[in-house]
Amino acid sequence: NAGVTQTPKFRILKIGQSMTLQCTQDMNHNYMYWYRQDPGMGLKLIYYSVGAGITDKGEVPNGYNVSRSTTEDFPLRLELAAPSQTSVYFCASSRALSNQPQHFGDGTRLSIL
Amino acid sequence: RKEVEQDPGPFNVPEGATVAFNCTYSNSASQSFFWYRQDCRKEPKLLMSVYSSGNEDGRFTAQLNRASQYISLLIRDSKLSDSATYLCVVLRVSNMLTFGGGTRLMVKP
Repeated sequence: NAGVTQTPKFRILKIGQSMTLQCTQDMNHNYMYWYRQDPGMGLKLIYYSVGAGITDKGEVPNGYNVSRSTTEDFPLRLELAAPSQTSVYFCASSRALSNQPQHFGDGTRLSIL
Repeated sequence: RKEVEQDPGPFNVPEGATVAFNCTYSNSASQSFFWYRQDCRKEPKLLMSVYSSGNEDGRFTAQLNRASQYISLLIRDSKLSDSATYLCVVLRVSNMLTFGGGTRLMVKP
C-alpha cells in the first residue's frame, strides 16, 4: 500500500546546483501539495495542484517550480539552490473534497552547502 | 500575527496524566480543522478532525470554539507513545491547509 512516495530521501547540493524532488501517489487523488518544514517550525506550502495541468503558488513559492502532467506525479524543481532552501520537503495528496485529510510522503531532507 | 498559533512547549507530563493543548486561528472564514501528529523526523499524520460539536476518539478529545477562534486537544491517561509534536491545522476556503508550529509533548515514565 504505497500511498505517497518521495524520492530521494536525502540529498546534499552545492549552491547554484539544480535538482528535482520526485513525488508520486497511487490513490488517484486530484489535489497534491509541496511543503517545506524548517527545524522547529510548522509546514509552509510551496505549491499545490488541483488536478493534472493545473498548479498554483502557495505561501513560499520563490526559488521553486512545479509541473503536473499526470494525476499521479507532482515533481518539485529547484533551479539555483541556495542555503535558505535547506529544509525537509514533504509532498502530500488529498481528495478534492475540502474536509478530507492530506496524506504525506516520508519527506526529502535537503542540505545546500 | 500568525494565522495559526500554538504554544511550542515542551509539555512534560508523567504517564497517566491528562494534558490539554490549545490553538488559536485568525481567519474567521476557516472551514475545517484538524489535529495532526508528527513524530521526530517523520511525516505528519492525521490524528483527528475537529467538529463543531466536539468529538472524541478513545483517549483524545477535540473541541472547537468558533466564537473565540480556538481549537483544543485533550489527551487522557497519557502513554509514553503519545510523545510527539501535535500540529493544529486549519483548512482555508481555497482548500489550502495552514499549519501551526506544533506543540511538543514528552510523556515521562
